[in-house]
Amino acid sequence: AAGVIQSPRHLIKEKRETATLKCYPIPRHDTVYWYQQGPGQDPQFLISFYEKMQSDKGSIPDRFSAQQFSDYHSELNMSSLELGDSALYFCASSLTGTFLSYEQYFGPGTRLTVT
Amino acid sequence: SQQGEEDPQALSIQEGENATMNCSYKTSINNLQWYRQNSGRGLVHLILIRSNEREKHSGRLRVTLDTSKKSSSLLITASRAADTASYFCATSAYGNNRLAFGKGNQVVVIP
Repeated sequence: AAGVIQSPRHLIKEKRETATLKCYPIPRHDTVYWYQQGPGQDPQFLISFYEKMQSDKGSIPDRFSAQQFSDYHSELNMSSLELGDSALYFCASSLTGTFLSYEQYFGPGTRLTVT
Repeated sequence: SQQGEEDPQALSIQEGENATMNCSYKTSINNLQWYRQNSGRGLVHLILIRSNEREKHSGRLRVTLDTSKKSSSLLITASRAADTASYFCATSAYGNNRLAFGKGNQVVVIP
């Protein structure tokens, strides 16, 4: 079965640079989520999109922005990178019902290292 | 914010034994999901249990949910070396699908 695809898998950037992470959800999933997992930490929710509209926003820095495109892929844009942005960035996708919620399936993650 | 929290366990067991880990949370939930993560890699979805369910099975996995105690447990039976990983529970609330993760439980299965 198709899974969530993320690219790139690894990314090394310097401080103050920008980075763009891409996510391709499972076909027919209508919701995309972004999470950040720092070293030794649990994943933290950043932002989500339902049918290409931002549906929820968590602890996402103002330096970060995201969007979902007409083909449902999503991009997380990160500017003015800081050392503390070094983390694993996960994208997840799911179906979303009115009264039920469904399993969120995660991609393999993008490991961002800021030097 | 809602927070799934595992008991701060680091389990080390022999292959073939059962592994049990617990999770507690603070507020009302819609569902609770368990994930496995191998060292710094992706999160693999294991099982979802809804707030109106008390127990669920999937292969060697058994999950219980006690909403009155705001707690869940994950049992892995007949453990294998490949089960060595960190296990996270994550909760979501009604009308809000974001997952709130707790601290992972590290499980080491010794061959």
